[in-house]
Amino acid sequence: DAKTTQPPSMDCAEGRAANLPCNHSTISGNEYVYWYRQIHSQGPQYIIHGLKNNETNEMASLIITEDRKSSTLILPHATLRDTAVYYCIVRRSVNGNKLVFGAGTILRVKS
Amino acid sequence: DAMVIQNPRYQVTQFGKPVTLSCSQTLNHNVMYWYQQKSSQAPKLLFHYYDKDFNNEADTPDNFQSRRPNTSFCFLDIRSPGLGDAAMYLCATSRGGGPDIQYFGAGTRLSVL
Repeated sequence: DAKTTQPPSMDCAEGRAANLPCNHSTISGNEYVYWYRQIHSQGPQYIIHGLKNNETNEMASLIITEDRKSSTLILPHATLRDTAVYYCIVRRSVNGNKLVFGAGTILRVKS
Repeated sequence: DAMVIQNPRYQVTQFGKPVTLSCSQTLNHNVMYWYQQKSSQAPKLLFHYYDKDFNNEADTPDNFQSRRPNTSFCFLDIRSPGLGDAAMYLCATSRGGGPDIQYFGAGTRLSVL
């Protein structure tokens, strides 16, 4: 599975959009981009995933560049409860394929 | 309602004393995973079951074993816990097949005295 690079930390004002970048320059054609987050002392939580097209759900939007070498997770209106470690993971669509977590980005939402 | 349930949330054991952590799921998922997360580190996969097929990660120590008696339950056995095994242990499940989503439990925090 391709490696990802994320900034170690970011701050965001409450109510503003949080844009979390991820580089995955070695991504292969059959690899998906997944985002999970982990709030302190809880298990990781799935946010969103995509292959080529931009995706949106009730939690976030995922913007993938045309060459698929980078992506951005957007939380449109960040709240204090969005403070967490955000993991960008690239993985193949294979039965039972594992998640390989990198260091992630610590997002701090401040009032 | 919790879909992946881990018990207990906190477990204290003594150095060298076997310990078992449990995980149950109400999702009827085919795949169950065990991750280890040490302090200030990212989760790391130990092994997973696809149905009854056990898949061990190459670098998982022999001290760690797992059992899956049925679809709903999976256990993590640590035969002789060392101080370095103190960590959060996370159970996750997924349907299996295609770009599936993993659902995690809240974790069990293991302390070794």
